[in-house]
Amino acid sequence: QQQVKQSPQSLIVQKGGISIINCAYENTAFDYFPWYQQFPGKGPALLIAIRPDVSEKKEGRFTISFNKSAKQFSLHIMDSQPGDSATYFCAASSKGNTPLVFGKGTRLSVIA
Amino acid sequence: NAGVTQTPKFRILKIGQSMTLQCAQDMNHNYMYWYRQDPGMGLKLIYYSVGAGITDKGEVPNGYNVSRSTTEDFPLRLELAAPSQTSVYFCASIPTGTDTQYFGPGTRLTVL
Repeated sequence: QQQVKQSPQSLIVQKGGISIINCAYENTAFDYFPWYQQFPGKGPALLIAIRPDVSEKKEGRFTISFNKSAKQFSLHIMDSQPGDSATYFCAASSKGNTPLVFGKGTRLSVIA
Repeated sequence: NAGVTQTPKFRILKIGQSMTLQCAQDMNHNYMYWYRQDPGMGLKLIYYSVGAGITDKGEVPNGYNVSRSTTEDFPLRLELAAPSQTSVYFCASIPTGTDTQYFGPGTRLTVL
């Protein structure tokens, strides 16, 4: 049972464009939704995270949009750069540091 | 990686051999996790621990064992290696009072 569904599997974006990755979840007990960025040969690193009390969170070029009623959240990367080329994972967890449940990942390639 | 160390970085095992993947953090984090990452499948939780002496199964625990005798160390044991255990293994920990999960650099294991 996949509790967090992520799409697309892969994404190619022109430099300067907007990258959008979507995730949907099923468990209404989830209350923490992070996005992780992973470069080849490295461990995932936290990029940005949101809780359900807000609908949007922005950090630099990265924005999470959250729709509680639809049980969906998305990552937007503005002005995408070749250095953003990586695999991105959405995740979710419930209160009390319960283990994260990860989506299957999106491989982003930003081409010049 | 906020001080999460993993050894070894690479290992090749023969079917039936055993080994221990080491994970350590020196930041007094209570929560520690083991994941495996297979291509296109995201990260799947193997085992986790909320503190010394306490461990619990994740989504894919079969074929693995863990122990947590100290806060710093959380080794993962493979008793009878199988080709299905070929994967990249990541250890992670969470600082007390936060939600951010910090990942180690990973161990790439091949079972032939």
